[in-house]
Amino acid sequence: GAGVSQSPRYKVAKRGQDVALRCDPISGHVSLFWYQQALGQGPEFLTYFQNEAQLDKSGLPSDRFFAERPEGSVSTLKIQRTQQEDSAVYLCASSPWTGEYGYTFGSGTRLTVV
Amino acid sequence: EDKVVQSPLSLVVHEGDTVTLNCSYEVTNFRSLLWYKQEKKAPTFLFMLTSSGIEKKSGRLSSILDKKELFSILNITATQTGDSAVYLCAVPDSNYQLIWGAGTKLIIKP
Repeated sequence: GAGVSQSPRYKVAKRGQDVALRCDPISGHVSLFWYQQALGQGPEFLTYFQNEAQLDKSGLPSDRFFAERPEGSVSTLKIQRTQQEDSAVYLCASSPWTGEYGYTFGSGTRLTVV
Repeated sequence: EDKVVQSPLSLVVHEGDTVTLNCSYEVTNFRSLLWYKQEKKAPTFLFMLTSSGIEKKSGRLSSILDKKELFSILNITATQTGDSAVYLCAVPDSNYQLIWGAGTKLIIKP
């Protein structure tokens, strides 16, 4: 498709369960970002990839969070042993350029941990 | 399909100039429109607009919504170099997930 695609759209996980969230960026886009957006708040940066290289993971809240982009296209955000505070919308954005410019956001994955 | 379109994609002006950034939207069950400023990593919240024709102001920034014509503008007067950033517009869809525009990169030259 023409946009950034995220799947699943919704995910309900039991506390302690592992989840994997997928992001399909626009083909050829160099930069890819993951954000976490809690209800009623703005997006919080999680991590940034330039092609397959994870250049910044300073926003990942704990070692339970892991992201990868092995071939420089599709990215997966994995959360191990989910906790209730992980409930949020996880947004992915991609850009044809390096740096934070001209990026397209996906519609997000809403994760609810029960 | 819900969408949010911002223009221009980029803008370069001199310090002291006034700029107007545009955001148009097509979203089912519209409730609100949000403006964000992004300087580094994550966007920071500026305004939330829900009512047509009512201007929101914060210092040199102001924004207004036109629900009939489905757009909003963000004005910045007497620009400063610190205003250089990407300005994002977003609209929640019917599932309360944000539909984001691509942003306007604003560069203020001294």
